[in-house]
Amino acid sequence: GENVEQHPSTLSVQEGDSAVIKCTYSDSASNYFPWYKQELGKRPQLIIDIRSNVGEKKDQRIAVTLNKTAKHFSLHITETQPEDSAVYFCAASRTGSARQLTFGSGTQLTVLP
Amino acid sequence: DTAVSQTPKYLVTQMGNDKSIKCEQNLGHDTMYWYKQDSKKFLKIMFSYNNKELIINETVPNRFSPKSPDKAHLNLHINSLELGDSAVYFCASSPASLPSYEQYFGPGTRLTVT
Repeated sequence: GENVEQHPSTLSVQEGDSAVIKCTYSDSASNYFPWYKQELGKRPQLIIDIRSNVGEKKDQRIAVTLNKTAKHFSLHITETQPEDSAVYFCAASRTGSARQLTFGSGTQLTVLP
Repeated sequence: DTAVSQTPKYLVTQMGNDKSIKCEQNLGHDTMYWYKQDSKKFLKIMFSYNNKELIINETVPNRFSPKSPDKAHLNLHINSLELGDSAVYFCASSPASLPSYEQYFGPGTRLTVT
């Protein structure tokens, strides 16, 4: 089955700096890579996703890059704000009829004011 | 309107009991899921289910069983609860086809087994 590794497990940045979280996956058939943000006590919510037919996707301050050859993908947050503080999860899945997400272990991002 | 809802939000019970968690989605999605999040925040898929197939993660004990009375509901039944079952359980749903594969999560049910 799929295995997703995520680094770092914790990340502290100053407000306004950039944050980068990296993930690797093992199943070369995986072709869908979402990123979820989970605030304390809340549900995971999708912030951005990418499919294997593109190498990069951007949405305002958030971008994701994908390297299919190396089987890794990264989340980039620019101009970080205190409200970006949360746990971020990467995930991978195939896009079949029942798309089970395999999650990374999470990154606790703290943005210091 | 709540897209994916779960009840109860908190569940405290004793070892050996049987309990159920209910999940409902009003998004018209075809596929529903159950995830378990342990105390270290690891999120693991337990089941995915649509009208045609149930996929069970091989690590899930058979004390756990999903039951779907209709397309909008996927309930989780747990028999003979154990201390290690304490976790937050999230239900989720997603459309079966493009343009979106997004999975929408419910608010979670915090299960505590004493």
